[in-house]
Amino acid sequence: QQQVKQSPQSLIVQKGGISIINCAYENTAFDYFPWYQQFPGKGPALLIAIRPDVSEKKEGRFTISFNKSAKQFSLHIMDSQPGDSATYFCAGSGAGSYQLTFGKGTKLSVIP
Amino acid sequence: NAGVMQNPRHLVRRRGQEARLRCSPMKGHSHVYWYRQLPEEGLKFMVYLQKENIIDESGMPKERFSAEFPKEGPSILRIQQVVRGDSAAYFCASSPRTAGGTDTQYFGPGTRLTVL
Repeated sequence: QQQVKQSPQSLIVQKGGISIINCAYENTAFDYFPWYQQFPGKGPALLIAIRPDVSEKKEGRFTISFNKSAKQFSLHIMDSQPGDSATYFCAGSGAGSYQLTFGKGTKLSVIP
Repeated sequence: NAGVMQNPRHLVRRRGQEARLRCSPMKGHSHVYWYRQLPEEGLKFMVYLQKENIIDESGMPKERFSAEFPKEGPSILRIQQVVRGDSAAYFCASSPRTAGGTDTQYFGPGTRLTVL
C-alpha cells in the first residue's frame, strides 16, 4: 500500500518558470512532511519541511502549501534554475513512528 | 562538521556472498535509520536503531538481513547470502532525537550494492 502518492513522475520547466510537485497522503496520523532533493549519485538532502498547523511555509524560492482537509501538500519552486534539476521526494511521518514514508519521486529538469 | 558517512560507496557481490554496509552518523547524533532505494523508486524504511538497541525493524526482511549499532563504532547493515533482488542503493540517515517531535533525518551518500 503506497501511503504517499507523488506526481508528476517527471517535469520539464523553462528557466525562470515555476515548478510544482504534488503529494497526497493517506495516513491521517502523519504530522511531519519534509521534502528532499537528490542529485544523481548523492543522498537525499532536506530542502524544506512543514507541520499541519500551518498552511504554507516559504524558504527562499521554495514554498510548501499544505491542505490538511484534502490530505495534500505541494512544493513550489519559483524562478526555477538549471541547478534545481534533480529528483525531489516528498515524505510523511508521525503517529509515534520515526520512519519516513516517501513518495516515488519527481525528476525535475530545468532547461535554459 | 562532517556529515553522515557511509562506506563503501560501491559494493559488488556475487550471489550467495555477504554484504556489510557501514554508517557513521553525524557527530552528536545517536539515532540511525537505514533505507533502501530501488531504481526509479522512493526510499523504503528498513530499520531504526539507537546505540545498542533496535527500536523499529518493521521494514527489514525477516530473512538474511540484520542491523546493529554498537556502543563503539559505526552502524552495520548486514545482508547474508545476497540475491540479485538485493541490488539497490542503501542509505543511512541520522538524527539527534531530542525529546518530543520528529527530528530531521540527515542522509549519507549511500552504498550502491550490485549483486552479480
